[in-house]
Amino acid sequence: EPEVTQTPSHQVTQMGQEVILRCVPISNHLYFYWYRQILGQKVEFLVSFYNNEISEKSEIFDDQFSVERPDGSNFTLKIRSTKLEDSAMYFCASSVWEGPYNEQFFGPGTRLTVL
Amino acid sequence: KQEVTQIPAALSVPEGENLVLNCSFTDSAIYNLQWFRQDPGKGLTSLLLIQSSQREQTSGRLNASLDKSSGRSTLYIAASQPGDSATYLCAVEGGVAGGGNKLTFGTGTQLKVEL
Repeated sequence: EPEVTQTPSHQVTQMGQEVILRCVPISNHLYFYWYRQILGQKVEFLVSFYNNEISEKSEIFDDQFSVERPDGSNFTLKIRSTKLEDSAMYFCASSVWEGPYNEQFFGPGTRLTVL
Repeated sequence: KQEVTQIPAALSVPEGENLVLNCSFTDSAIYNLQWFRQDPGKGLTSLLLIQSSQREQTSGRLNASLDKSSGRSTLYIAASQPGDSATYLCAVEGGVAGGGNKLTFGTGTQLKVEL
């Protein structure tokens, strides 16, 4: 069964460094998302992406964050200068609009630890 | 701003028991509602999606109901098994018909099914 994959599974970085989290969405899906979950807290929406553009972004998704679909299969989240509070589990998700369903499928996550 | 609440926060039951998990949301203008399962340190597995026009959805031993006007959903698990032990998350999709809408998550119910 098709699934969303993410790499790496765990990333450790120093504060101020740039990180790129990678995702391969399900191949026929058109909508892509990033969410994050700080330990012990709710899963929070960061950004949605469609047709090579950001559809919606949350207040968390500030200028330090960017997303890109560099080729036909990958979807990336870049954090330019990491902060301690960016430590979290980052989930990529994808969906295909099959009116009226928009079921989102999630990857296994990347655990980001900022030291 | 949409707020999603889940009760109870934790639940421990003996194997074989039927159980109900509750989810409530403050803004009834939702498009879909999804129930997810999250195992410790893992990603989110989609269990059921209910459209706002539906009253319930079933998958195997799981049955989810939706009362959109009162802002409530329940997830019923029949004949619980130790393998059902996980955190169950409720998420509502707002926005308009179509893809790319964000999910707003609850804090989850941590379920433990004991032998």
